[in-house]
Amino acid sequence: GEDVEQSLFLSVREGDSSVINCTYTDSSSTYLYWYKQEPGAGLQLLTYIFSNMDMKQDQRLTVLLNKKDKHLSLRIADTQTGDSAIYFCAEKWGSQGNLIFGKGTKLSVKP
Amino acid sequence: DAGVIQSPRHEVTEMGQEVTLRCKPISGHNSLFWYRQTMMRGLELLIYFNNNVPIDDSGMPEDRFSAKMPNASFSTLKIQPSEPRDSAVYFCASSLDSGNTIYFGEGSWLTVV
Repeated sequence: GEDVEQSLFLSVREGDSSVINCTYTDSSSTYLYWYKQEPGAGLQLLTYIFSNMDMKQDQRLTVLLNKKDKHLSLRIADTQTGDSAIYFCAEKWGSQGNLIFGKGTKLSVKP
Repeated sequence: DAGVIQSPRHEVTEMGQEVTLRCKPISGHNSLFWYRQTMMRGLELLIYFNNNVPIDDSGMPEDRFSAKMPNASFSTLKIQPSEPRDSAVYFCASSLDSGNTIYFGEGSWLTVV
């Protein structure tokens, strides 16, 4: 069955880099995603990566994909207090477009 | 551009009452998803529609839950009768078949007392 695993908490200091990790189980996943959820808000799509890529960079965000190990990571450079939120990893399952989500990693940024 | 629009944003209701959650997908999107978020179970897919047709409703918890999509711009999720364990955030999301991204609404925060 499908399952996406993430660690639940991460705490960093402002200005440091944050690395949020995720493992998934479906080797046929075509796309993998990172969403951000701030308190009381919906899910905001941050970035996604196609499964035939191993890296994608978008400003302060770097996504690394190790397809062999089914490991996905999100690196946030120069982390700011505004980055404090829950970050969800998700895989696109099959051809129908449904996403399977991890339980989310709560990122706390200390000043 | 308007994103996915959900209503109500917040609802508190008594056990046994009917609850109707509404969603307007992004214009032109032909896939619509209903997710439920709880602390214990995280984000779970309840049902999704493609071209207004339910494709997978295996995540709908039980017969008390029903969802409809009468046209391309509107969907409802109904709970009747509601129970305290239905308290959760219900998200609607939409996407375009040919696209790679699913966009979420702000959620409907339901409390059943």
